[in-house]
Amino acid sequence: GQQVQQSPASLVLQEGENAELQCNFSSTATQLQWFYQSPGGSLVSLLSNPSGTKHTGRLTSTTVTKERRSSLHISSSQTTDSGTYLCASTGGYKVVFGSGTRLLVSP
Amino acid sequence: DPKIIQKPKYLVAVTGSEKILICEQYLGHNAMYWYRQSAKKPLEFMFSYSYQKLMDNQTASSRFQPQSSKKNHLDLQITALKPDDSATYFCASSQGQGAGNTLYFGEGSRLIVV
Repeated sequence: GQQVQQSPASLVLQEGENAELQCNFSSTATQLQWFYQSPGGSLVSLLSNPSGTKHTGRLTSTTVTKERRSSLHISSSQTTDSGTYLCASTGGYKVVFGSGTRLLVSP
Repeated sequence: DPKIIQKPKYLVAVTGSEKILICEQYLGHNAMYWYRQSAKKPLEFMFSYSYQKLMDNQTASSRFQPQSSKKNHLDLQITALKPDDSATYFCASSQGQGAGNTLYFGEGSRLIVV
């Protein structure tokens, strides 16, 4: 079945540093999304990016569909960026999530 | 205001009992989903519905039954509850399914089975 793998599992940064999160998916996705989940909170969609590069604010996502990988770059990290970042791949009628990257940004 | 409403937000149930988790979306979407997230596992896909029809079911147990009385409703009935059912259950929706559709989530219903 469809699988999504994320790395690293966790990441600790100092405020102001950049973060690079990776996502690999096992089948050709018709949609690739990045989500943010605060501790104990719901999920918020950050970017939808099935292919190419997309930007929003300090976030940049690059998806190479043929290589079945996507990355999320967070520039100039802030303490409020702390939380879990989830990659999700759409195939057929379901959206499958990775285990996430837990990001901690310290002041 | 939240556009996807889940009720209740928190729920404690006794082993063997039955509960229904409510989900209503006011985004005008045609597809709805249920996901489960527990401490031991990542966010796990359960069901997807499109125009009130079941499109995909990845839940092995028949104790979990989705119910769609209206296009913007997708409730989840859970029978014969077990402690392992303890998790946060998220409802989600999208305009359609497949390419170009963004998934939106409710705030979740946290279920604890004792």
